[in-house]
Parts: sequence; structure tokens; C-alpha cells
Amino acid sequence: NAGVMQNPRHLVRRRGQEARLRCSPMKGHSHVYWYRQLPEEGLKFMVYLQKENIIDESGMPKERFSAEFPKEGPSILRIQQVVRGDSAAYFCASSPGTFFYNEQFFGPGTRLTVL
Amino acid sequence: KNEVEQSPQNLTAQEGEFITINCSYSVGISALHWLQQHPGGGIVSLFMLSSGKKKHGRLIATINIQEKHSSLHITASHPRDSAVYICAVYDTGNQFYFGTGTSLTVIP
Repeated sequence: NAGVMQNPRHLVRRRGQEARLRCSPMKGHSHVYWYRQLPEEGLKFMVYLQKENIIDESGMPKERFSAEFPKEGPSILRIQQVVRGDSAAYFCASSPGTFFYNEQFFGPGTRLTVL
Repeated sequence: KNEVEQSPQNLTAQEGEFITINCSYSVGISALHWLQQHPGGGIVSLFMLSSGKKKHGRLIATINIQEKHSSLHITASHPRDSAVYICAVYDTGNQFYFGTGTSLTVIP
């Protein structure tokens, strides 16, 4: 059973470009979470999704950031018009049920660098 | 003020020592997680607790709900235990908070 997959592992973008980060949850997991870790800082929750539904996006910046988890395919975190401050490691995690009572399994992360 | 505070921030130990990392939180919680982040960045979930104590190999996690405190203990520490240990809580308002982590270095 493959773990949580994220791609790309490293992504370089110039200011103003779009960044698309993908997350494939573990088989059988229908709950996906995205987290951001800024350099020298701790993890911060961004968004929690189930298939075709955003459950909690309280940690998402109000502009330029969006996330989806379609019925088929990976979850996508999209950052439009990237700025240098978006440079960070973005981690995705999945669980088989609601995150309150289930262990989360983390992907290896995507390291975004904005030039 | 952070909802989750960890101590110490940095810890260096000799191989074989018993290690304790502390986590205090200020919110009512549904569950508490201990995570391990390796130097390469990968994150592993170690424990999820809502009460009592859990043990896995050389790792033990305890939680005291009344005192809003949890501890992670490592017995017979080994250099491969060197990592950042992160405490995270789910509060009863459905918010998820992370501590800033404790960086552990175990010297051979």
C-alpha cells in the first residue's frame, strides 16, 4: 500500500506564475489536509477536504490560494500569482476518517521556491 | 500567545539517555498528536492521544487533560532519534494548532 504521494517534490516558480501542487492520498483514505511550513517556522494548517467538498479552509490565505479534491484524481493546491513569501514546504496528509479521531499520514512535501 | 507551547526548543542528549519533551496547551481539546519531522523534512505521526498513555517501542506519550499537558518520552535514546518533535492539538472548536517543535540531537 503506497503512502501519501506528493508531486512535484521541488517546484521553482517566478513571481507572478502559478504553482500547482498535487497530493494523492493513501488508498482508502477520503480525507486530505494541506499544511504549510515557512522557513524556520512550524507547520500551519491550511485546508481540510473530503472528496468534492471543502470541509474547513480557515487556514487558507483569502486570495490567490485554492484547493480541490475531485471525485477522481489527486487533491490539488493551487497558488496563483506567486510571491516570494509563498516559498515554503507544503505538506499533504490523509486519513481514513475525520481528522479528530484518526491518525494522519503525511506525504514527503513539496518545496516551493519563488524567485 | 501560542495555543500550543513546547519545551525545550532545543535538546542535546548523549546516546542512551532518557529524554522528555513537554507540550502545554491552552484550549480544550478533542485529541493531541505527536509528530516527528526528520532532517530531510519528512513527517511521521507517532501518537494520537485523547487520554492516558500510549507506548510504541522506546517511545511513550502521556496526556493529562486536567492540566492541559502532554509529554513525549524516549527511552535509551539513539542518534537516529535526532529529529524535530512536534505537538499538535485539535481543539473542541474544530481548530488545529501546532507547536513550534523541539529539535532533538542525540550524540553517539
